[in-house]
Amino acid sequence: AQTVTQSQPEMSVQEAETVTLSCTYDTSESNYYLFWYKQPPSRQMILVIRQEAYKQQNATENRFSVNFQKAAKSFSLKISDSQLGDTAMYFCAFMSYLGGTSYGKLTFGQGTILTVHP
Amino acid sequence: DVKVTQSSRYLVKRTGEKVFLECVQDMDHENMFWYRQDPGLGLRLIYFSYDVKMKEKGDIPEGYSVSREKKERFSLILESASTNQTSMYLCASSLQGYMNEQYFGPGTRLTVT
Repeated sequence: AQTVTQSQPEMSVQEAETVTLSCTYDTSESNYYLFWYKQPPSRQMILVIRQEAYKQQNATENRFSVNFQKAAKSFSLKISDSQLGDTAMYFCAFMSYLGGTSYGKLTFGQGTILTVHP
Repeated sequence: DVKVTQSSRYLVKRTGEKVFLECVQDMDHENMFWYRQDPGLGLRLIYFSYDVKMKEKGDIPEGYSVSREKKERFSLILESASTNQTSMYLCASSLQGYMNEQYFGPGTRLTVT
């Protein structure tokens, strides 16, 4: 079974600065998918960014980018130019590729609470 | 816009009661999921469904059951609620296939006293 570990329960950053959230995972599979989801206070969880394991190029979405290190099984999220609206809990998640039987199941990490200070 | 709704935002039940949590999605998604979210544990999958009347156990199915009679609706049932089932319950849906985004509902905070 896969496991996902987020070792930083809480982090804080000043507005306009850059912050990196860490995520490591454990799997014996060679092909899989990784995600970062954001859960703002009292609001619904939304997808931030996703990465296919067989693609070496790191995914980027505006101010959000990832550092995917497949050999190290590491998938960190970098938020540039942090904004007050980035305050949320962030979850790292893993999805297997099993030739049609994964049904899109996700395994989540424990979450990191990020607070952006003005 | 994809919309996933859950029947209640807050629910208080007594130990031993039968509890129904309902989830409805409006985007014709094949997959639906029920998670519970607890501090320090993240989200853990309880059950999921990939088609009408089809269901599969997740990582923590004990004490729960599910029902999917229609494609848009996925119900989580606590047959006899216990205090250790006090938690936040999140429903999600997604299209069949890989790397597809899961869309989440607002969650139901259930307290069992």
